[in-house]
Amino acid sequence: AQKITQTQPGMFVQEKEAVTLDCTYDTSDPSYGLFWYKQPSSGEMIFLIYQGSYDQQNATEGRYSLNFQKARKSANLVISASQLGDSAMYFCAMRDGGMNSGYSTLTFGKGTMLLVSP
Amino acid sequence: NAGVTQTPKFRVLKTGQSMTLLCAQDMNHEYMYWYRQDPGMGLRLIHYSVGEGTTAKGEVPDGYNVSRLKKQNFLLGLESAAPSQTSVYFCASSYTAGALSYNEQFFGPGTRLTVL
Repeated sequence: AQKITQTQPGMFVQEKEAVTLDCTYDTSDPSYGLFWYKQPSSGEMIFLIYQGSYDQQNATEGRYSLNFQKARKSANLVISASQLGDSAMYFCAMRDGGMNSGYSTLTFGKGTMLLVSP
Repeated sequence: NAGVTQTPKFRVLKTGQSMTLLCAQDMNHEYMYWYRQDPGMGLRLIHYSVGEGTTAKGEVPDGYNVSRLKKQNFLLGLESAAPSQTSVYFCASSYTAGALSYNEQFFGPGTRLTVL
């Protein structure tokens, strides 16, 4: 069984500072993918970044980077130079399995609410 | 290109009533999913489909049924609504779903359902 843990219910950061949102995962499958989604107050789910278990380098997408520490089973999201528009709920998710069926599903963490102050 | 759309956006039901939520995608995706989001619980998978005519149970399937008669549509049904089914329902789709696939799931805007 797979599991995603986000231990920070809420985080506060000042504008222009960097912030790290924690995510740890648990899986016995060697092949898996990790995703981060953003959910602003308007409710939509916005894909931010992806990291595959065999990727050698940490994923980056603009101001977002994923601090992937495989041995510790952590996939923390780093947002550099926070902006007011970054205030939102952030979800970590994992997709593993599918070795036999060829497909697998996403399991989400409970989320971290990030508030960016001026 | 509308992406993933959901109908309706809001709905209020009385206990015992039935309804169907419609999800449509225009990206020719094989895989479609229904999630529910409850406060403090994140998103939990209800049912999913890996292709036209196929469906499978997710983490919380009880009280729901689904159908995928057409590739672009995925319907979620509540036969006898209960207050515990008050939630925000999200539909999603993806091109592939392999464990190492970088293809993300695209989400619809959500349906807010209240069961009184």
